[in-house]
Amino acid sequence: DGGITQSPKYLFRKEGQNVTLSCEQNLNHDAMYWYRQDPGQGLRLIYYSQIVNDFQKGDIAEGYSVSREKKESFPLTVTSAQKNPTAFYLCASSISRGLSNQPQHFGDGTRLSIL
Amino acid sequence: GQNIDQPTEMTATEGAIVQINCTYQTSGFNGLFWYQQHAGEAPTFLSYNVLDGLEEKGRFSSFLSRSKGYSYLLLKELQMKDSASYLCAVRVYNTDKLIFGTGTRLQVFP
Repeated sequence: DGGITQSPKYLFRKEGQNVTLSCEQNLNHDAMYWYRQDPGQGLRLIYYSQIVNDFQKGDIAEGYSVSREKKESFPLTVTSAQKNPTAFYLCASSISRGLSNQPQHFGDGTRLSIL
Repeated sequence: GQNIDQPTEMTATEGAIVQINCTYQTSGFNGLFWYQQHAGEAPTFLSYNVLDGLEEKGRFSSFLSRSKGYSYLLLKELQMKDSASYLCAVRVYNTDKLIFGTGTRLQVFP
């Protein structure tokens, strides 16, 4: 079955440590996205990529980095520069190419906590 | 600026009808999505509106008025499993980006 796989489901980070969250999709979608969700808040866009080897900053990119070397994969690195990384991270993908009625499909999320 | 407003919480009774409102102010508009999100889970797509009017899909309907910057999600014959957060999101014109509201947490009581 096609879908989006995020791993791990739970992740713990020590102070000063970088961690990488995995996101893989087999939907053949061009566009991929990373969101952060905090309690009582909506989804906030961290980074997005509309095509392989290209990505753009979202609204809260500081302290994060991404790569898009393959169409299927869009890993997110939470660096030590991100001072408040505890949150629920959601990866999504969608068909691009101007098909505006196509929804974004989400993975099950990774919950990151600071030790 | 970009702003999407939804009520924070709503309650309703099993079998009833509930309407969740969403107002938006965005720089350009290219469609509005509604998602359902159960606690700790991924959002799942419910509906899409780009033209004014009502879109019906089973127990769920969604309405859009572009001139008023307003949408609502109507849930009929409420079931306990409908207890979840409902997210309104606007697609920004000429991009694939979505701007999300903070979500409305709906609790359905027996």
